[in-house]
Amino acid sequence: DTAVSQTPKYLVTQMGNDKSIKCEQNLGHDTMYWYKQDSKKFLKIMFSYNNKELIINETVPNRFSPKSPDKAHLNLHINSLELGDSAVYFCASSQEGVATNEKLFFGSGTQLSVL
Amino acid sequence: AQSVAQPEDQVNVAEGNPLTVKCTYSVSGNPYLFWYVQYPNRGLQFLLKYITGDNLVKGSYGFEAEFNKSQTSFHLKKPSALVSDSALYFCAVRDSGSARQLTFGSGTQLTVLP
Repeated sequence: DTAVSQTPKYLVTQMGNDKSIKCEQNLGHDTMYWYKQDSKKFLKIMFSYNNKELIINETVPNRFSPKSPDKAHLNLHINSLELGDSAVYFCASSQEGVATNEKLFFGSGTQLSVL
Repeated sequence: AQSVAQPEDQVNVAEGNPLTVKCTYSVSGNPYLFWYVQYPNRGLQFLLKYITGDNLVKGSYGFEAEFNKSQTSFHLKKPSALVSDSALYFCAVRDSGSARQLTFGSGTQLTVLP
């Protein structure tokens, strides 16, 4: 009964390819996120969606495009992959609207390696 | 603007000894503060949070953290470390008056030696 699940766990691909990472949460949360963790373990938010609408879009190349078909899913599509895209990508979710419930639930990550 | 600093990349402690992982923050308004833990090849897991109220916050697995407004700190503590506590720990902050976005620190690798 994984709360936040993302697939694939590992993704190895060539430069220039297009790839997608899928994320699903079964917690009934309103908000979902994509985070990027680099090789030094630094964690940075990329996108945030609330009820299928984009609410945060950090300075991320437009090669990265999030897609939220419904509030339980937030997929990440990456075009024209570059070497610098190699990282671990984490999906997360939280319940909006409750000020004290700022708890994020993370997926187990997708290790992307661009060769 | 909001930021958080974890001054130690690595903390080593002997099993059974108390541990402290340091965190300082900077926000314009009142802070919401969090600690998360990341085990190898896993996503981050919530440990505890400070929103308001008592400065000493108790969380999962026997961890606690003390909010110190004058020192703008939120150090993570545990009275007696376990080998299984070895992991990467992240402090995070959000300005209560800002848009809903957490800023994470750079992480501190805790190693508990048997």
